[in-house]
Amino acid sequence: DIQMTQSPSSLSASVGDRVTITCRASQSIARSLNWYQQKPGKAPKLLVYGASSLQSGVSSRFSGSGSGTDFTLTISSLQPEDFATYYCQQSSSPLPWTFGQGTKVEIK
Amino acid sequence: QVQLVQSGAEVRKPGASVKVSCKASGYIFTSYYMHWVRQAPGQGLEWMGRVNPTGGSTSYAQRFQGRVTMTRDTSTSTVYMELSSLTSEDTAVYYCTRSIGVTGDYFDFWGQGTLVTVSS
Repeated sequence: DIQMTQSPSSLSASVGDRVTITCRASQSIARSLNWYQQKPGKAPKLLVYGASSLQSGVSSRFSGSGSGTDFTLTISSLQPEDFATYYCQQSSSPLPWTFGQGTKVEIK
Repeated sequence: QVQLVQSGAEVRKPGASVKVSCKASGYIFTSYYMHWVRQAPGQGLEWMGRVNPTGGSTSYAQRFQGRVTMTRDTSTSTVYMELSSLTSEDTAVYYCTRSIGVTGDYFDFWGQGTLVTVSS
């Protein structure tokens, strides 16, 4: 199975900060990498798919980049509603698809 | 609008089985695979497997092979996930989520989650 490693596991940031989360795959997955946001008690929400395509309705302050094994999710200016846990997920072939362990973004 | 509505919370004793349902609406049911993802308390997301609503074929994560069964009912646009031989480690929120079913795919809609508690 492909292992996904996110860093950091948690971070503290202030409103307005630029935040970057990284995700590394244990082998090349081309651009088959997605990012989700999850708030407590809620289902995950798709933010970015195909490494860099923004899901419809998602704020443009979110952006994704990378290919192969190294990927990043950037929040350009952190807003109060962005405090949540973020997960990367690979959808390369073959199955199983796997998630990173998550990055919790907390208020500084 | 696309909706995935799951059945309610369940409590089971160790060794028992549980069956969770997920009713889809707002799209062509047979056009999207349905997956199940679970999340233990305070933990991350774990992919369990998927079912193809068109023919009913399934793919399961190896750690659940022999213990999980995913089925679908096209007449009601509902998928089911049954997990047997439950232990306390199966206590989790179980989500259904759909994908188009290709490499580079993604989960664009999710159910609200079903809490399964395993306790003696």
